[in-house]
Amino acid sequence: AQRVTQPEKLLSVFKGAPVELKCNYSYSGSPELFWYVQYSRQRLQLLLRHISRESIKGFTADLNKGETSFHLKKPFAQEEDSAMYYCALRGYGGATNKLIFGTGTLLAVQP
Amino acid sequence: DGGITQSPKYLFRKEGQNVTLSCEQNLNHDAMYWYRQDPGQGLRLIYYSQIVNDFQKGDIAEGYSVSREKKESFPLTVTSAQKNPTAFYLCASRMRGGLDEQFFGPGTRLTVL
Repeated sequence: AQRVTQPEKLLSVFKGAPVELKCNYSYSGSPELFWYVQYSRQRLQLLLRHISRESIKGFTADLNKGETSFHLKKPFAQEEDSAMYYCALRGYGGATNKLIFGTGTLLAVQP
Repeated sequence: DGGITQSPKYLFRKEGQNVTLSCEQNLNHDAMYWYRQDPGQGLRLIYYSQIVNDFQKGDIAEGYSVSREKKESFPLTVTSAQKNPTAFYLCASRMRGGLDEQFFGPGTRLTVL
């Protein structure tokens, strides 16, 4: 079964501390993984996708197929990073190309 | 302001009534989606449509219905059969064949009284 697991509902860190938001997935093929972010009073928006291997707002995420993980990391958290973060998976095969979302992690960066 | 619009922002409904949530996009996207967002449960897919006049059930379609008569519009009806309709509803769209980024609307918060 296709599944995305985000084990932490809430992650609270101090400004300047490193951040790691965990995401594990279950999928038998080669998935495509994403991180979406929802800031307060804003729309859900794409943060980054694994195929781009990009760094957005200082965040990076590496796909680890051996551990089936796609953790989101940032070396120094900022207060404006406080938001809800969702990990999502898109599986290939079939006509759906739908996204499967995790339950989300609320990141709270304390001053 | 282009993109995806959802209306209304807040909606109140009496138990037993059907209600329709609007979703419109001017991005010329082929695919559209409806999600339900509940605290602690993330986003769950209700219905999706990959092309006009075609749509498929998502993971939690019971008690909902949709139509896709126009490319830019994908309304969602929450029927009285939906046992727990109070939630935040998000609409999204995506260009078929392109990068798989889904663009989201601002959402509609439905409260059943």
